[in-house]
Amino acid sequence: QITLKESGPTLVKPTQTLTLTCTFTGISLSNRAVGVGWIRQPPGKALEWLAFIYWDDEKHYSPSLQSRLTITKDASKNQVVLTMANMEPVDTATFYCAHRRSSGNFDYWGRGTLVTVSS
Amino acid sequence: EIVLTQSPATLSLSPGERATLSCRASQSVSSYLAWYQQKPGQAPRLLIYDASNRATGIPARFSGSGSGTDFTLTISSLEPEDFASYYCHQRSNWPLTFGGGTKVEIK
Repeated sequence: QITLKESGPTLVKPTQTLTLTCTFTGISLSNRAVGVGWIRQPPGKALEWLAFIYWDDEKHYSPSLQSRLTITKDASKNQVVLTMANMEPVDTATFYCAHRRSSGNFDYWGRGTLVTVSS
Repeated sequence: EIVLTQSPATLSLSPGERATLSCRASQSVSSYLAWYQQKPGQAPRLLIYDASNRATGIPARFSGSGSGTDFTLTISSLEPEDFASYYCHQRSNWPLTFGGGTKVEIK
């Protein structure tokens, strides 16, 4: 059974850096073709893809947010970490992590974590 | 970046009716288009992948069609649990993108 769970702060102040951790079971980022991505969704709005990392450390970022995002993995801990710098109130959103194989789609998702940016 | 435009934004229908949702890509995505269903407070659920393949456990009333730039998700007869938001998603090119969504609401 594949499960993913997001963890991190629920409230951050403007200009701070957000660090979110995705902890998963049932998959291994040591295995070929496995990847984990991050997607966010502001309240009442659409999904927005942010970043993705493969088993071999290949990384991809949303061009509009690339300068603020960093994605890393720790295969031994079954974790993927996303950092997002210089948070603003418009970044308030539910952040999801999700599993995807190299020739597939996001098929397993975490439940999401709501992050509010406010002073 | 490939932009996905979904229409309509909102679809008001009654249970038992047929729902037709559209997704148009700004350039060809071949068949690398998926559809997700999302209910309030829940994560998205994969319904259709590669334009026309139902994901595991998805009822046969959901079907997808299209290729290139024009895609359709059809729900043949709406069940009460189908009233939700639906998003298309392309994996043809980086960056990955999602459409703006269609909300299917009860009329």
